[in-house]
Amino acid sequence: DTEVTQTPKHLVMGMTNKKSLKCEQHMGHRAMYWYKQKAKKPPELMFVYSYEKLSINESVPSRFSPECPNSSLLNLHLHALQPEDSALYLCASSRDRAAHEQYFGPGTRLTVT
Amino acid sequence: AQSVTQPDIHITVSEGASLELRCNYSYGATPYLFWYVQSPGQGLQLLLKYFSGDTLVQGIKGFEAEFKRSQSSFNLRKPSVHWSDAAEYFCAVGLVTSGTYKYIFGTGTRLKVLA
Repeated sequence: DTEVTQTPKHLVMGMTNKKSLKCEQHMGHRAMYWYKQKAKKPPELMFVYSYEKLSINESVPSRFSPECPNSSLLNLHLHALQPEDSALYLCASSRDRAAHEQYFGPGTRLTVT
Repeated sequence: AQSVTQPDIHITVSEGASLELRCNYSYGATPYLFWYVQSPGQGLQLLLKYFSGDTLVQGIKGFEAEFKRSQSSFNLRKPSVHWSDAAEYFCAVGLVTSGTYKYIFGTGTRLKVLA
């Protein structure tokens, strides 16, 4: 099973709302990633978790707050977002942070109004 | 600086025709190389990967790619394109930079297939 699941598929939120994106994998992978993808652009790395610890934060604004409750789950908490944060948010996982392929989820399409 | 270049933003081919998508990278050593496909509004699906060994690698959906060290290229090919292959294709390089392993994605090539 090489599946990464993400919920919800779509999310519309106002700039004052608080919401969370969820990602789950059951492949035993120990590295998990959040990417942001704008239309017609490649994914941009936001955060990397390795063995449930945050190892990379690519200078992401604090209105995005990641959380890794256990080795299978990854959350992205959203608060006070801006319209320019509207994008496809992709979760990925890999066996570990060494040079291995990443498996991507289907993404959450976020619209900030 | 490390970079991945996909020179073709758009490519249009007829169904049944052959396909080649280009990817060039700039990196001092041989990186780990990947091709992903993304259908509209979907996540990325791994088509194939190259780590070492045989420079011609086979992937899913009838795709193959050839690593050419002398040209720093990893071009994706398919002998006969199907209408369902219409999608965005991303080349990616996995490399260690500043002690950290990262993916660097190319800008993508959008494939259109004519019936």
